[in-house]
Amino acid sequence: DAKTTQPPSMDCAEGRAANLPCNHSTISGNEYVYWYRQIHSQGPQYIIHGLKNNETNEMASLIITEDRKSSTLILPHATLRDTAVYYCIVCPSNYQLIWGAGTKLIIKP
Amino acid sequence: EPEVTQTPSHQVTQMGQEVILRCVPISNHLYFYWYRQILGQKVEFLVSFYNNEISEKSEIFDDQFSVERPDGSNFTLKIRSTKLEDSAMYFCASSDLTVYTEAFFGQGTRLTVV
Repeated sequence: DAKTTQPPSMDCAEGRAANLPCNHSTISGNEYVYWYRQIHSQGPQYIIHGLKNNETNEMASLIITEDRKSSTLILPHATLRDTAVYYCIVCPSNYQLIWGAGTKLIIKP
Repeated sequence: EPEVTQTPSHQVTQMGQEVILRCVPISNHLYFYWYRQILGQKVEFLVSFYNNEISEKSEIFDDQFSVERPDGSNFTLKIRSTKLEDSAMYFCASSDLTVYTEAFFGQGTRLTVV
């Protein structure tokens, strides 16, 4: 079973920052936090991952709490094309990603 | 941008038939994976493959399933005798030398068993 808890759905206005929370209270020391998204049954798309430190790339920022029990994915300026299911996955490596139900993010004009 | 390519995009097969799903991973990647997603359900891990052998497999990946890298570029998933419950979207993915990195996914093959 997935080791993460995410809200089933969220709305965000276009142009605003979308903040997607994830709880992973049982995370182990060697486990990374990965975020992927899936747009309408297409292949999943990698967004970002991190271990302890906050991370930023061209798509998003990942904020991990100091105790590593939760994290937040931030899409700084959401567009309609960001409408997707977002998955937070805790895993020691990419060998076996265990997927939960994710958060369905709907960006509204 | 390099991408993982899967063929065919849609395969319809009769129950009991063998089916081979094909994938061309990104050329310098060394780790390969198959996942599946039954319609409306979660993505499920099937198998990972490295150095010409299976690294990990899930309970779903039973004796009916096999994987192969026949020619150094293709990566295939074979289902020996398909069942109705094998109907799903099958995703191939690959990642590069560093394990703790991103996996790139193909667009999937929709398998329909009738």
